[in-house]
Amino acid sequence: ETGVTQSPTHLIKTRGQQVTLRCSSQSGHNTVSWYQQALGQGPQFIFQYYREEENGRGNFPPRFSGLQFPNYSSELNVNALELDDSALYLCASSLDRGQVETQYFGPGTRLLVL
Amino acid sequence: AQSVTQLDSQVPVFEEAPVELRCNYSSSVSVYLFWYVQYPNQGLQLLLKYLSGSTLVKGINGFEAEFNKSQTSFHLRKPSVHISDTAEYFCAVMEANQAGTALIFGKGTTLSVSS
Repeated sequence: ETGVTQSPTHLIKTRGQQVTLRCSSQSGHNTVSWYQQALGQGPQFIFQYYREEENGRGNFPPRFSGLQFPNYSSELNVNALELDDSALYLCASSLDRGQVETQYFGPGTRLLVL
Repeated sequence: AQSVTQLDSQVPVFEEAPVELRCNYSSSVSVYLFWYVQYPNQGLQLLLKYLSGSTLVKGINGFEAEFNKSQTSFHLRKPSVHISDTAEYFCAVMEANQAGTALIFGKGTTLSVSS
């Protein structure tokens, strides 16, 4: 158990819809990162939030956006869903940004886009 | 940008045999390396990490890894595996810059332990 929780565990959407995924960080952690893991692949970095600001972004289009709240919980929003967005979405919390801190992962949300 | 190559996509072994999962990374001035394990339908669990210091790193569940700077490798080893070690293993390098930190993962190695 890492203390990082995600909801929902599973989700089915249709192409063109919008989705919001949620993450609750480990206590005391102010940095959250989001990753997309397609089937049979390693996780890919989407973006990172630190103290409610985006703090780094991977190679994902703007329709992937996020929020971090004062209690350091976080949301990942994906607009205009595409079939290729079907994946396991993982969030990871860490103690502080800019430092080489271990990232602790939640169990993930599995999204299926039909 | 950093990159990670996991040289074997699948490694089948028998119970109690030794195993080595291979990982190479692209060279950089500062390298921070991690191994994570993913059991079916679960998130990632940290096995071990190398940040600095001793090149031999010991982790959980009897795993260890050796950082080799000259060969840019960070291979994971276990002297005797159990059925319960069957899982997906990911090697990752941490990319740190002014904008923050991101883990760059390899594609994973499926370890299958049979009796």
